[in-house]
Amino acid sequence: GDSVTQMEGPVTLSEEAFLTINCTYTATGYPSLFWYVQYPGEGLQLLLKATKADDKGSNKGFEATYRKETTSFHLEKGSVQVSDSAVYFCALKTSGTYKYIFGTGTRLKVLA
Amino acid sequence: KAGVTQTPRYLIKTRGQQVTLSCSPISGHRSVSWYQQTPGQGLQFLFEYFSETQRNKGNFPGRFSGRQFSNSRSEMNVSTLELGDSALYLCASSFEITGTGDFYEQYFGPGTRLTVT
Repeated sequence: GDSVTQMEGPVTLSEEAFLTINCTYTATGYPSLFWYVQYPGEGLQLLLKATKADDKGSNKGFEATYRKETTSFHLEKGSVQVSDSAVYFCALKTSGTYKYIFGTGTRLKVLA
Repeated sequence: KAGVTQTPRYLIKTRGQQVTLSCSPISGHRSVSWYQQTPGQGLQFLFEYFSETQRNKGNFPGRFSGRQFSNSRSEMNVSTLELGDSALYLCASSFEITGTGDFYEQYFGPGTRLTVT
């Protein structure tokens, strides 16, 4: 079945460091891919999305490119801030399934 | 536009009881999904409704059920609560990709934190 694998956390970085959170997927067909962020005590917020191969999603300095050849959707940010500390989830949705498959989440901690 | 709202935000129940959680989607969204989030299992899909019809269901026992009303509001019910049902229950709504019945992104509510003692 469809699945999402993302890197284990926690990831601890200093402010202004470069961030990469790896995400790979297995899916039948051509899924849409998403990154969501969850701050403590809150629900999930959509960070960015890509609906077809080679699409690049971007928002708030975060970027991810849909790579069909490597079945990956890695999240990157050039310079993290303390306020980026949260849990990040990679997810996929295949057309017609009406549900998301989530990765296990990666906790990011940014130190001042 | 108001976001997805869930009530109550926190709930404490005793084993064997039942519970009903409520979700109001973003105005105009007709798809509502429910997820269970636990530290051990992560985010697990429960079910999805569109225009009062359940279109997909996750791998949960029959104690978990849901429904959707004509105004797109949704409820989920858990009967005979077990300790393992303690979790954050998240509701998400989506707008339809015109004419397809399908959707891309989901918008999540803040969740209901259920504790079973």
